[in-house]
Amino acid sequence: DAKTTQPPSMDCAEGRAANLPCNHSTISGNEYVYWYRQIHSQGPQYIIHGLKNNETNEMASLIITEDRKSSTLILPHATLRDTAVYYCIVSDAGGTSYGKLTFGQGTILTVHP
Amino acid sequence: SAVISQKPSRDICQRGTSLTIQCQVDSQVTMMFWYRQQPGQSLTLIATANQGSEATYESGFVIDKFPISRPNLTFSTLTVSNMSPEDSSIYLCSAHRGPGNTIYFGEGSWLTVV
Repeated sequence: DAKTTQPPSMDCAEGRAANLPCNHSTISGNEYVYWYRQIHSQGPQYIIHGLKNNETNEMASLIITEDRKSSTLILPHATLRDTAVYYCIVSDAGGTSYGKLTFGQGTILTVHP
Repeated sequence: SAVISQKPSRDICQRGTSLTIQCQVDSQVTMMFWYRQQPGQSLTLIATANQGSEATYESGFVIDKFPISRPNLTFSTLTVSNMSPEDSSIYLCSAHRGPGNTIYFGEGSWLTVV
C-alpha cells in the first residue's frame, strides 16, 4: 500500500500557483519525499525531492512540514502543459530499498485557461 | 541527469509469444528497476534488476513470467513471456546512482497483446 495520501483531483487557473498537498503521516526518519508527474502515457517525470528541508528547483518548490508528516508541491506559475497526474512518494533513503517506489493514485491536476 | 532509453516504444504482439524490452542508460547507475502500468492504473514495481545476479522480484511477479537480465551497469532487459491480453500494459524502466540521488524513468514500452 502507498504510504501517502493525495486528493484525487485539483484544478488551477493558468498563471496561478498550483499547491498540491500530500499526507505522509507514517514517514520514517530516513525516508525521502519524492514528487513525480506523468503526462498521459509518458514515463514519470522527476520534479523534486527532499528529506526535511524545503527545496526549490527550476520546476517547483517542495515545502515539508517540521514534523515531516505532510508536504506541499508548489508550481509557481502553472501552465496548460502542467496538466498531469502528480505522484507524491516516500522512499527509503538507504540500502537496497532506495529507488523502490510505491506509487499511489496521485492527484490529477487540471490547469485551465 | 540520466537519460533512459527503452526499446521498443510500443508493440502489438500475439498471445502466447514473448517480447523482450530493452533499457539503456546513458551513464553508469547503481540500481535499475522495472515497473508495469496497466491501463488506467498507477505504476507497480515488478523487480529490481541486479547487476551480475538474479533479479529480485516483488510479490505477485515471478521469474518464469518476467525474466530480467542486467549484464552491466547501463543496460537491462525485461522479457514478458507467454503473453496474454492481461499483459497489455506500459512497462517502464527506472534507475539511480545511489541513495539520495534522483530516480529517473524511461519513457516506457507500450505493449498490446491481441
